[in-house]
Amino acid sequence: AQSVTQPDIHITVSEGASLELRCNYSYGATPYLFWYVQSPGQGLQLLLKYFSGDTLVQGIKGFEAEFKRSQSSFNLRKPSVHWSDAAEYFCAVGTGYSTLTFGKGTMLLVSP
Amino acid sequence: GAGVSQSPSNKVTEKGKDVELRCDPISGHTALYWYRQSLGQGLEFLIYFQGNSAPDKSGLPSDRFSAERTGGSVSTLTIQRTQQEDSAVYLCASSSKIGGGGTEAFFGQGTRLTVV
Repeated sequence: AQSVTQPDIHITVSEGASLELRCNYSYGATPYLFWYVQSPGQGLQLLLKYFSGDTLVQGIKGFEAEFKRSQSSFNLRKPSVHWSDAAEYFCAVGTGYSTLTFGKGTMLLVSP
Repeated sequence: GAGVSQSPSNKVTEKGKDVELRCDPISGHTALYWYRQSLGQGLEFLIYFQGNSAPDKSGLPSDRFSAERTGGSVSTLTIQRTQQEDSAVYLCASSSKIGGGGTEAFFGQGTRLTVV
């Protein structure tokens, strides 16, 4: 069965600084990978997804993520964080045969 | 509808009562998922439905939990004899394919269940 690890429960970043949120997955074949964001009191919104092809994927709101098969990672990045990016971020893996599996999330705090 | 709709948005119930949570997926989506979100626990998979196939119930935490999907569309999650540990936000999602294969899952706003 697949699994997802987000090692950082909380991360605090200064506004304007760069951001990297870590995600490691476990699955024997090439997975489908997703990053979702959940703002307070809101549902989950898809930021970006990886299915195949180019390992660097661009998403909404200036986010990008890179699939590294050798490291079983799919880290989310943003070059300059805005205060409105404060939210909880979830990495997820799908296989096309079973359900989507989510990590426990990383809460991003943005300091002035 | 335009998105996944869940009702009610909030539900407060007494311990021991049964509750039903409803999910209206995006029209035409064959895959439907239920997740539970508790503080600090991320999204816990409960059950998913894919077309006419038997649902995967492997995530249901106890036999007090059950779900059905009528006509391949609307789904109801039922919790019998609710306990305080059932308090959480219950999220429903739908997708045009199972497991995110080739597409994303769209989430509803969730039902916040509080058992008192």
